[in-house]
Amino acid sequence: DAEITQSPRHKITETGRQVTLACHQTWNHNNMFWYRQDLGHGLRLIHYSYGVQDTNKGEVSDGYSVSRSNTEDLPLTLESAASSQTSVYFCASSGPGQGATEAFFGQGTRLTVV
Amino acid sequence: GQNIDQPTEMTATEGAIVQINCTYQTSGFNGLFWYQQHAGEAPTFLSYNVLDGLEEKGRFSSFLSRSKGYSYLLLKELQMKDSASYLCAVRADPTNAGKSTFGDGTTLTVKP
Repeated sequence: DAEITQSPRHKITETGRQVTLACHQTWNHNNMFWYRQDLGHGLRLIHYSYGVQDTNKGEVSDGYSVSRSNTEDLPLTLESAASSQTSVYFCASSGPGQGATEAFFGQGTRLTVV
Repeated sequence: GQNIDQPTEMTATEGAIVQINCTYQTSGFNGLFWYQQHAGEAPTFLSYNVLDGLEEKGRFSSFLSRSKGYSYLLLKELQMKDSASYLCAVRADPTNAGKSTFGDGTTLTVKP
């Protein structure tokens, strides 16, 4: 079965370190997204990609970057981790077009910056 | 800008019916989604409305009024496993489903 997987599931890092969170999907979807979810809140869009070599900033992109070198993967990099980036990060993918009626989410990565 | 409002918490009794409301003010509209999220898990898709009216899917129904910027999710015959957070999300971009703006979610507690 097709799926979307994130790794690691849990990560503790120190302030100032660079951290990369992995996201891999086997749906063959063009569209991939990174959201963060803080306690008691909904999902906020960090970055998204509509295809290989395409990346776009979301509403909370400062301090984060992504790259899309193939269809399956969209790694999220925190350039210099800050305590404010402690959160749960969700990767998602969806098919193109108005016929796409849902996004599929990974299981999330819980990141703690100390 | 985008603004989506949902109640923070709701409590209901097993076997009952509960309605979770969502109001939105967004710069564009191309569909409204409801997702269910159990604690510590990923959101999973429940429903999608793009035209006015009611969409029914088993015990779950979702309603949309575009002119009022309003939607609700109706859960019937509540079960304990329905205790979860319910996220309302609006898609402004017509080209894909994932680029949506989410509300903060409504935490539903189902009691025996």
